[in-house]
Amino acid sequence: AQSVDQPDAHVTLSEGASLELRCSYSYSAAPYLFWYVQYPGQSLQFLLKYITGDTVVKGTKGFEAEFRKSNSSFNLKKSPAHWSDSAKYFCALEGLGYGNEKITFGAGTKLTIKP
Amino acid sequence: AQTIHQWPVAEIKAVGSPLSLGCTIKGKSSPNLYWYWQATGGTLQQLFYSITVGQVESVVQLNLSASRPKDDQFILSTEKLLLSHSGFYLCAWSLKDTQYFGPGTRLLVL
Repeated sequence: AQSVDQPDAHVTLSEGASLELRCSYSYSAAPYLFWYVQYPGQSLQFLLKYITGDTVVKGTKGFEAEFRKSNSSFNLKKSPAHWSDSAKYFCALEGLGYGNEKITFGAGTKLTIKP
Repeated sequence: AQTIHQWPVAEIKAVGSPLSLGCTIKGKSSPNLYWYWQATGGTLQQLFYSITVGQVESVVQLNLSASRPKDDQFILSTEKLLLSHSGFYLCAWSLKDTQYFGPGTRLLVL
């Protein structure tokens, strides 16, 4: 079984602050991990992924994430945050089962950046 | 460049009526295709995936079915809608590991 936990349903920060959105996962093997962003009323956009190799991965829009096997986490970071980063962020895990098709999403974290 | 199109953009349907949602991907050959459902304000639930024409695997049972009649087309359907089917339906494609999402279809069942 595989699962993804995003413990913070809402995060509010001031513009210019550093943001870190938490994500932890449970999976019996090495996972593929992803972050996606969803702006209000829109679909999902890919931000970044961890497959293997360097544990700090950089993505679009100035985001990066760090994979930590020791505590099964894949936290998303950005500094400084901008008001346009306000959106809902989803962490996802792709299990290495048959054909790598099973994807599990976390509940999401709604990020609000105050100008 | 690849494009993903979903239709319709939005639907309002009655309980018990049939539904058909479509998704087409242009610019990619033999992609993996996926259907997701998102309740308002909720997370994404993977419904189906397909790695080749004519083959569809179900991930959860929600009284929905899916078909892949062509390499670039993925259809989601049901003969009888339930109130619980309301939400946002997203189609996605991938070739290797990263999924790319379509614009989605909003469905309201009354």
